[in-house]
Amino acid sequence: DSGVTQTPKHLITATGQRVTLRCSPRSGDLSVYWYQQSLDQGLQFLIQYYNGEERAKGNILERFSAQQFPDLHSELNLSSLELGDSALYFCASNRQGAWGGYTFGSGTRLTVV
Amino acid sequence: AQTVTQSQPEMSVQEAETVTLSCTYDTSESDYYLFWYKQPPSRQMILVIRQEAYKQQNATENRFSVNFQKAAKSFSLKISDSQLGDAAMYFCAYRGSNTDKLIFGTGTRLQVFP
Repeated sequence: DSGVTQTPKHLITATGQRVTLRCSPRSGDLSVYWYQQSLDQGLQFLIQYYNGEERAKGNILERFSAQQFPDLHSELNLSSLELGDSALYFCASNRQGAWGGYTFGSGTRLTVV
Repeated sequence: AQTVTQSQPEMSVQEAETVTLSCTYDTSESDYYLFWYKQPPSRQMILVIRQEAYKQQNATENRFSVNFQKAAKSFSLKISDSQLGDAAMYFCAYRGSNTDKLIFGTGTRLQVFP
């Protein structure tokens, strides 16, 4: 157990639907990052939150949005889903000033049918 | 913009042998951090080793070591005494000193044969 919790582990939904992915960071970590990994691809950075505020944005579609709540958990909302949104969505966290890499959750496998 | 390139989509190694995975990156920054992550079939992302650019000494973690060539912008991973459990996707990643964002390469799939 890495300490970063993602739910659900698997999600199957239809095109056009909306889903919410949830992430609880490791205790003490203020930053949360969301990454998308399409089939056998590298990880693409979507967005970063730090202590409730958006810190950095990557290649995140307008149909996608995220937020970080006062208890530091984060949610990634994906709407108007398309087949191409099927991917593994990772959440990661780290501490401010820590030069080390992130601690990743186990991911949410999203399948859009 | 920074980029990370892994030119070997697949590599294979015999158990107990040594294998080297390549990674190059492009950056104009002088201070940064480099990482290797392992992704086994479970899909969990596991940090293998990390290197600070200002350190000339190559990082080592047990059977894993890196060859960091700053001038050449190269950061290869050497796995010694390969084990069946080393079979996984390996991702090289870059992080600039002024950002928390990790930039990943496309990965190298490592197969280990008994």
